[in-house]
Amino acid sequence: AQSVTQLDSQVPVFEEAPVELRCNYSSSVSVYLFWYVQYPNQGLQLLLKYLSGSTLVKGINGFEAEFNKSQTSFHLRKPSVHISDTAEYFCAVSDQGGSEKLVFGKGTKLTVNP
Amino acid sequence: EAGVAQSPRYKIIEKRQSVAFWCNPISGHATLYWYQQILGQGPKLLIQFQNNGVVDDSQLPKDRFSAERLKGVDSTLKIQPAKLEDSAVYLCASSRTGNDYGYTFGSGTRLTVV
Repeated sequence: AQSVTQLDSQVPVFEEAPVELRCNYSSSVSVYLFWYVQYPNQGLQLLLKYLSGSTLVKGINGFEAEFNKSQTSFHLRKPSVHISDTAEYFCAVSDQGGSEKLVFGKGTKLTVNP
Repeated sequence: EAGVAQSPRYKIIEKRQSVAFWCNPISGHATLYWYQQILGQGPKLLIQFQNNGVVDDSQLPKDRFSAERLKGVDSTLKIQPAKLEDSAVYLCASSRTGNDYGYTFGSGTRLTVV
């Protein structure tokens, strides 16, 4: 069975600073990896996904993530954050060749302060 | 394209009462998911449908939860009787088949059991 650990439950940063949200996963098989964002009282929106190919994945809103198989990590980064990036971020994993079920981490609350 | 529609947006019930949630997926999406998101946690898959057949319901508490997908389109999730620990946001999502993980999530139904 897969599991996802998001190492930080809350990350406060100042506007225009860089940010990294950390995600580690565990699985006995090869996986696909995802980052979702959730704004208050809304559903989840896909930021980016790693299915194959380059381990550096670029997503929407200037976010990117790097898949590191040896460290079983998929950390999310943005070089300069905006107030509007304040939200909850979820890392998720899915078995390759499986049913496309997503297993989520507990989330990281990113707060961008002026 | 229209998004995934869910209703109601909010529901407050007393414990031991019954409640039902409705989901209308994106047209043409064969796969439909119900996830439960308890406050402070990531979403957890309750049930996955492919057309109107169940693919995965391993984490559905079948003594109180039931779900159906009518004619492979709309779906309802029911809880009977509700417990305090069922308080959560219930998210519906849909996707095309083909392993592209093109999930679209609805805005969810927030259930409070008092």
